[in-house]
Amino acid sequence: GAGVSQSPRYKVAKRGQDVALRCDPISGHVSLFWYQQALGQGPEFLTYFQNEAQLDKSGLPSDRFFAERPEGSVSTLKIQRTQQEDSAVYLCASSLAYGETQYFGPGTRLLVL
Amino acid sequence: AQTVTQSQPEMSVQEAETVTLSCTYDTSESDYYLFWYKQPPSRQMILVIRQEAYKQQNATENRFSVNFQKAAKSFSLKISDSQLGDAAMYFCAYKYSGAGSYQLTFGKGTKLSVIP
Repeated sequence: GAGVSQSPRYKVAKRGQDVALRCDPISGHVSLFWYQQALGQGPEFLTYFQNEAQLDKSGLPSDRFFAERPEGSVSTLKIQRTQQEDSAVYLCASSLAYGETQYFGPGTRLLVL
Repeated sequence: AQTVTQSQPEMSVQEAETVTLSCTYDTSESDYYLFWYKQPPSRQMILVIRQEAYKQQNATENRFSVNFQKAAKSFSLKISDSQLGDAAMYFCAYKYSGAGSYQLTFGKGTKLSVIP
Protein backbone atom coordinates (compact mmCIF):
# COMPACT_ATOMS: atom_id res chain seq x y z
CA GLY A 1 0.00 0.00 0.00
CA ALA A 2 0.91 3.66 -0.15
CA GLY A 3 3.36 4.97 2.38
CA VAL A 4 3.33 8.20 4.34
CA SER A 5 3.19 11.21 2.05
CA GLN A 6 4.02 14.83 2.79
CA SER A 7 3.46 18.03 0.92
CA PRO A 8 4.96 20.25 -0.17
CA ARG A 9 8.34 18.59 -0.48
CA TYR A 10 10.09 21.95 -0.48
CA LYS A 11 8.95 25.28 0.89
CA VAL A 12 10.72 28.61 0.81
CA ALA A 13 9.25 31.25 3.09
CA LYS A 14 10.16 34.80 3.89
CA ARG A 15 10.77 35.51 7.54
CA GLY A 16 7.49 36.37 9.20
CA GLN A 17 5.36 34.34 6.82
CA ASP A 18 3.02 31.60 8.00
CA VAL A 19 3.44 28.09 6.54
CA ALA A 20 1.37 24.91 6.61
CA LEU A 21 2.86 21.46 6.10
CA ARG A 22 0.66 18.48 5.33
CA CYS A 23 1.03 14.82 6.24
CA ASP A 24 -1.02 11.92 4.88
CA PRO A 25 -0.35 8.87 7.06
CA ILE A 26 -0.67 5.27 6.00
CA SER A 27 -4.36 4.38 5.83
CA GLY A 28 -5.61 2.94 9.11
CA HIS A 29 -2.68 4.14 11.17
CA VAL A 30 -3.87 5.45 14.49
CA SER A 31 -0.66 7.12 15.63
CA LEU A 32 0.94 10.11 13.92
CA PHE A 33 4.16 11.89 14.83
CA TRP A 34 5.93 15.05 13.72
CA TYR A 35 9.71 15.44 13.97
CA GLN A 36 12.07 18.29 13.11
CA GLN A 37 15.44 17.47 11.57
CA ALA A 38 18.03 20.23 11.46
CA LEU A 39 20.89 19.96 8.99
CA GLY A 40 23.38 17.30 10.06
CA GLN A 41 21.30 16.21 13.04
CA GLY A 42 18.97 13.40 13.93
CA PRO A 43 15.23 14.02 14.01
CA GLU A 44 13.78 15.57 17.15
CA PHE A 45 10.26 14.87 18.35
CA LEU A 46 7.69 17.63 18.06
CA THR A 47 4.25 16.18 18.73
CA TYR A 48 2.11 13.03 18.76
CA PHE A 49 -1.50 12.28 17.83
CA GLN A 50 -3.57 9.24 18.62
CA ASN A 51 -6.45 9.50 16.19
CA GLU A 52 -7.57 13.14 16.49
CA ALA A 53 -6.27 13.63 20.02
CA GLN A 54 -2.97 15.41 20.46
CA LEU A 55 -1.54 13.48 23.40
CA ASP A 56 1.93 14.99 23.51
CA LYS A 57 3.11 18.35 22.26
CA SER A 58 6.09 18.66 24.52
CA GLY A 59 8.54 18.98 21.65
CA LEU A 60 6.98 21.99 19.96
CA PRO A 61 9.67 24.69 20.27
CA SER A 62 7.37 27.67 20.72
CA ASP A 63 3.76 28.76 20.58
CA ARG A 64 4.33 29.65 16.94
CA PHE A 65 4.10 25.94 16.18
CA PHE A 66 0.68 24.36 16.02
CA ALA A 67 -0.43 20.93 14.79
CA GLU A 68 -3.83 19.43 14.18
CA ARG A 69 -5.42 16.21 12.98
CA PRO A 70 -9.14 17.02 13.07
CA GLU A 71 -10.52 13.81 11.56
CA GLY A 72 -7.88 11.42 12.76
CA SER A 73 -6.20 10.99 9.39
CA VAL A 74 -4.47 13.90 7.62
CA SER A 75 -2.41 16.18 9.84
CA THR A 76 -1.18 19.71 9.34
CA LEU A 77 1.77 21.35 11.07
CA LYS A 78 1.49 25.12 11.02
CA ILE A 79 4.28 27.52 11.79
CA GLN A 80 3.34 31.14 12.32
CA ARG A 81 5.67 34.11 11.80
CA THR A 82 8.50 31.88 10.57
CA GLN A 83 12.04 32.63 11.66
CA GLN A 84 15.36 31.57 10.18
CA GLU A 85 15.93 29.02 12.93
CA ASP A 86 12.79 27.20 11.77
CA SER A 87 14.68 26.11 8.64
CA ALA A 88 14.81 22.31 8.79
CA VAL A 89 13.28 19.18 7.37
CA TYR A 90 9.95 18.35 8.95
CA LEU A 91 9.27 14.62 9.06
CA CYS A 92 5.95 12.94 9.62
CA ALA A 93 5.64 9.33 10.76
CA SER A 94 2.71 7.04 11.40
CA SER A 95 2.23 3.72 13.12
CA LEU A 96 -0.60 1.23 13.22
CA ALA A 97 -1.01 1.62 16.95
CA TYR A 98 0.77 2.91 19.99
CA GLY A 99 4.13 1.20 20.40
CA GLU A 100 4.26 -0.16 16.87
CA THR A 101 6.99 0.65 14.39
CA GLN A 102 6.93 4.17 13.00
CA TYR A 103 7.00 4.63 9.23
CA PHE A 104 8.33 7.92 7.96
CA GLY A 105 7.37 10.17 5.09
CA PRO A 106 9.89 11.86 2.76
CA GLY A 107 9.79 15.10 4.72
CA THR A 108 9.22 18.75 3.87
CA ARG A 109 12.35 20.85 3.58
CA LEU A 110 11.58 24.35 4.87
CA LEU A 111 13.91 27.22 4.15
CA VAL A 112 13.20 30.55 5.80
CA LEU A 113 14.96 33.52 4.23
CA ALA B 1 16.22 12.08 29.96
CA GLN B 2 17.25 9.45 27.50
CA THR B 3 20.15 10.14 25.18
CA VAL B 4 21.51 8.29 22.19
CA THR B 5 25.13 8.68 21.11
CA GLN B 6 26.63 7.71 17.78
CA SER B 7 30.35 8.38 18.05
CA GLN B 8 31.20 7.81 14.38
CA PRO B 9 30.06 10.75 12.24
CA GLU B 10 31.32 9.00 9.09
CA MET B 11 32.32 5.48 8.11
CA SER B 12 33.35 3.84 4.87
CA VAL B 13 33.41 0.24 3.74
CA GLN B 14 34.52 -1.61 0.65
CA GLU B 15 31.77 -3.24 -1.35
CA ALA B 16 31.17 -6.85 -0.18
CA GLU B 17 32.96 -6.21 3.12
CA THR B 18 31.50 -5.96 6.61
CA VAL B 19 31.10 -2.79 8.66
CA THR B 20 29.91 -2.13 12.20
CA LEU B 21 28.22 1.08 13.29
CA SER B 22 28.28 1.96 16.99
CA CYS B 23 25.54 3.28 19.22
CA THR B 24 25.32 3.79 22.96
CA TYR B 25 22.38 5.05 24.93
CA ASP B 26 21.59 6.22 28.39
CA THR B 27 18.38 5.33 30.19
CA SER B 28 17.21 4.38 33.65
CA GLU B 29 14.38 2.26 32.25
CA SER B 30 14.49 -1.51 31.80
CA ASP B 31 11.84 -1.92 29.12
CA TYR B 32 12.42 -0.19 25.83
CA TYR B 33 12.95 -0.63 22.12
CA LEU B 34 16.00 0.14 20.04
CA PHE B 35 16.02 0.79 16.32
CA TRP B 36 18.33 1.41 13.43
CA TYR B 37 16.92 3.59 10.67
CA LYS B 38 18.49 4.25 7.28
CA GLN B 39 18.08 7.58 5.54
CA PRO B 40 19.28 7.63 1.90
CA PRO B 41 19.92 10.94 0.17
CA SER B 42 16.24 11.07 -0.90
CA ARG B 43 15.56 11.53 2.86
CA GLN B 44 12.88 8.83 3.32
CA MET B 45 13.71 7.22 6.66
CA ILE B 46 13.50 3.43 6.45
CA LEU B 47 13.46 1.01 9.37
CA VAL B 48 16.39 -1.41 9.17
CA ILE B 49 16.04 -3.40 12.35
CA ARG B 50 14.29 -3.34 15.71
CA GLN B 51 15.27 -4.86 19.07
CA GLU B 52 13.16 -5.30 22.17
CA ALA B 53 15.20 -4.84 25.33
CA TYR B 54 13.63 -7.84 27.06
CA LYS B 55 14.87 -10.16 24.33
CA GLN B 56 18.36 -11.53 24.84
CA GLN B 57 18.63 -12.78 21.28
CA ASN B 58 20.10 -10.26 18.87
CA ALA B 59 17.81 -9.22 16.01
CA THR B 60 18.76 -10.12 12.44
CA GLU B 61 17.33 -9.00 9.12
CA ASN B 62 19.11 -10.58 6.16
CA ARG B 63 22.53 -8.86 5.92
CA PHE B 64 21.83 -6.65 8.94
CA SER B 65 22.34 -7.78 12.50
CA VAL B 66 22.78 -6.11 15.85
CA ASN B 67 24.95 -6.69 18.88
CA PHE B 68 22.77 -5.67 21.82
CA GLN B 69 24.60 -5.39 25.13
CA LYS B 70 22.00 -4.28 27.67
CA ALA B 71 24.32 -3.94 30.65
CA ALA B 72 26.74 -1.85 28.62
CA LYS B 73 23.87 0.08 26.97
CA SER B 74 25.36 -0.61 23.60
CA PHE B 75 23.54 -1.37 20.36
CA SER B 76 25.77 -1.75 17.31
CA LEU B 77 24.69 -2.53 13.76
CA LYS B 78 26.63 -4.93 11.57
CA ILE B 79 26.18 -4.82 7.82
CA SER B 80 27.56 -7.86 6.01
CA ASP B 81 28.36 -8.10 2.31
CA SER B 82 27.98 -4.34 1.92
CA GLN B 83 26.28 -3.12 -1.23
CA LEU B 84 26.34 0.24 -2.99
CA GLY B 85 22.71 0.73 -1.99
CA ASP B 86 23.68 0.62 1.66
CA ALA B 87 25.26 4.07 1.38
CA ALA B 88 23.15 6.38 3.56
CA MET B 89 22.87 8.06 6.93
CA TYR B 90 22.16 5.56 9.68
CA PHE B 91 20.37 6.64 12.83
CA CYS B 92 20.15 4.74 16.07
CA ALA B 93 16.95 5.41 18.02
CA TYR B 94 15.48 4.61 21.42
CA LYS B 95 11.90 4.38 22.61
CA TYR B 96 10.71 3.70 26.12
CA SER B 97 8.00 1.05 26.03
CA GLY B 98 6.07 2.28 29.06
CA ALA B 99 2.72 4.05 28.99
CA GLY B 100 2.71 7.70 28.06
CA SER B 101 5.95 7.64 26.12
CA TYR B 102 5.49 8.23 22.43
CA GLN B 103 8.62 9.65 20.95
CA LEU B 104 11.69 8.18 19.37
CA THR B 105 14.98 9.65 20.57
CA PHE B 106 17.58 9.65 17.81
CA GLY B 107 21.34 9.88 17.72
CA LYS B 108 23.06 12.32 15.39
CA GLY B 109 23.69 9.68 12.77
CA THR B 110 26.57 7.99 10.98
CA LYS B 111 27.15 8.64 7.30
CA LEU B 112 28.12 5.39 5.61
CA SER B 113 29.93 5.42 2.29
CA VAL B 114 30.37 2.26 0.23
CA ILE B 115 33.44 2.13 -1.98
CA PRO B 116 33.10 0.13 -5.19
